[in-house]
Amino acid sequence: DAKTTQPTSMDCAEGRAANLPCNHSTISGNEYVYWYRQIHSQGPQYIIHGLKNNETNEMASLIITEDRKSSTLILPHATLRDTAVYYCIVRVASGNTGKLIFGQGTTLQVKP
Amino acid sequence: EPEVTQTPSHQVTQMGQEVILRCVPISNHLYFYWYRQILGQKVEFLVSFYNNEISEKSEIFDDQFSVERPDGSNFTLKIRSTKLEDSAMYFCASSEEYSQETQYFGPGTRLLVL
Repeated sequence: DAKTTQPTSMDCAEGRAANLPCNHSTISGNEYVYWYRQIHSQGPQYIIHGLKNNETNEMASLIITEDRKSSTLILPHATLRDTAVYYCIVRVASGNTGKLIFGQGTTLQVKP
Repeated sequence: EPEVTQTPSHQVTQMGQEVILRCVPISNHLYFYWYRQILGQKVEFLVSFYNNEISEKSEIFDDQFSVERPDGSNFTLKIRSTKLEDSAMYFCASSEEYSQETQYFGPGTRLLVL
């Protein structure tokens, strides 16, 4: 699976949009971009995933650049409960492995 | 909303003892996983399981580890002879399909080996 690069930490004001970047310059054509988050000591929580089109769900939006080498997770109105470590993971769409490979992620601190 | 559950939430054991961590995956899921997270470190893949056999395992998953689906609902991780370095959070996850589908994680079991 392709390697991803994320900033170590970010701050965001409560109520504002949080934009979390991820670089995945070696992504292959059959690899999806997944975002998970981990609130302190809890199990990782799925947020969103996409292949090349932008995606939106009730939690977040995912913007993938046209060349697919980077993406941004957007939390439109961050709350204190969104404080967590956010992981960007690229993963094949099919094949012989289902495992998720977690990096260090971005620690997002939402401040009042 | 269906969720993955894990028991116990905390387990303290003596070095050399056997522990069994239990998970109840989401009921219609077919693929099951164990991950662990040593305090302050990354979440690490241990093993995936499908159709009553291991699909993939990591280097961490040595002969001291085993997994089992003893009945239609439980999925267990056994550590035969625990070591101090096995102290970690252990997360179970399940998914409907293998590669593309979302994995849903349980709340974890915190294992402390003394």
